[in-house]
Amino acid sequence: GDSVTQMEGPVTLSEEAFLTINCTYTATGYPSLFWYVQYPGEGLQLLLKATKADDKGSNKGFEATYRKETTSFHLEKGSVQVSDSAVYFCALPQGGSEKLVFGKGTKLTVNP
Amino acid sequence: NAGVTQTPKFRVLKTGQSMTLLCAQDMNHEYMYWYRQDPGMGLRLIHYSVGEGTTAKGEVPDGYNVSRLKKQNFLLGLESAAPSQTSVYFCASRPNRIPTIRSYNSPLHFGNGTRLTVT
Repeated sequence: GDSVTQMEGPVTLSEEAFLTINCTYTATGYPSLFWYVQYPGEGLQLLLKATKADDKGSNKGFEATYRKETTSFHLEKGSVQVSDSAVYFCALPQGGSEKLVFGKGTKLTVNP
Repeated sequence: NAGVTQTPKFRVLKTGQSMTLLCAQDMNHEYMYWYRQDPGMGLRLIHYSVGEGTTAKGEVPDGYNVSRLKKQNFLLGLESAAPSQTSVYFCASRPNRIPTIRSYNSPLHFGNGTRLTVT
């Protein structure tokens, strides 16, 4: 079935460091791909999305490109801030259903 | 605009007790979902609903029941709580899928969660 695999955490970085969180997917067809972020004590919220191959989603300095050839949707940010400390989830809609499948999440901690 | 509201925020139950978690959304969304979040497991879908009066099983439905009597509310019930149901529960909603060739799905809107402990 459709699934996503994202890198295990936790990830700890210093402020202004470069961030990459890897996400690869298995799916039939070409589903939309999403990154969600969960700040401490809150629910998940959409960070960015891409709806077709080679699309680049971006928001709050984060970017991810939909790569069909490598079935990947890696999340990147050039210079992280302490306020980016959160758990990040890669997700895609499960083919033929109304369900969204999530990766296991990657916890990011950014130190000043 | 409140979005998705979950009550209660915290609850402690003893094994065998029952309770109902309430989810309410004011965005007129068709679809609603209940997920549980456990360390190292990510989010797993318990039940979902594609409209008023409908429910369907997700990935981990055992031990839970749901009802969608009104479009804006989605209730999650535990009839006889077990320690394995200790978790953080999230409700989410979204509008209808926009039909396109590429099967675009609109993103989910989440509540802030209910932390349930079963002793």
